[in-house]
Amino acid sequence: RKEVEQDPGPFNVPEGATVAFNCTYSNSASQSFFWYRQDCRKEPKLLMSVYSSGNEDGRFTAQLNRASQYISLLIRDSKLSDSATYLCVVETGANNLFFGTGTRLTVIP
Amino acid sequence: ETGVTQSPTHLIKTRGQQVTLRCSSQSGHNTVSWYQQALGQGPQFIFQYYREEENGRGNFPPRFSGLQFPNYSSELNVNALELDDSALYLCASSPFSGRDYEQYFGPGTRLTVT
Repeated sequence: RKEVEQDPGPFNVPEGATVAFNCTYSNSASQSFFWYRQDCRKEPKLLMSVYSSGNEDGRFTAQLNRASQYISLLIRDSKLSDSATYLCVVETGANNLFFGTGTRLTVIP
Repeated sequence: ETGVTQSPTHLIKTRGQQVTLRCSSQSGHNTVSWYQQALGQGPQFIFQYYREEENGRGNFPPRFSGLQFPNYSSELNVNALELDDSALYLCASSPFSGRDYEQYFGPGTRLTVT
């Protein structure tokens, strides 16, 4: 079983739509959780960390459910510039980050 | 831009050859991690260097080795190249070795093995 599993998509949504991505992780001892964004042929960049209490940054909301070993990312009012691949990342200790395969989002005018 | 640089940008090698990839970390960052990203996949952790010592390793064979220098720049060496080693190799630096830190990625080196 993979450490981190994501629906690869692609998700094609119209501008202004709300879209949600989900991710599950297998190691219950995982310590830290992140969402990274990767544009085509570019390097990954941190979008936001994910906390048990849930956290929000503008149009982006991340949630963590430790009991279900589940992470989510919600994007409201999608913009064309949100088109990218979104990577779910889990840190299990020993400074080892596990990346999911990524979920590709295309926002359509 | 993150301030993390990698060289070369692209590289073509033949199966069985050896390759060295280089990374300069962001100023003030003492930790460097290397990742392999195959097409259509997420990055896979190769290893991390902290203050010139290996500080964690993923599921990669010993022919993947590395170094970190006193200025915190780093090298990734791959011996006996295989076709499956063709990928984007990403270097990421961070100010600490520990949890809840952001990793800043360089633009990557695209390696093609023929």
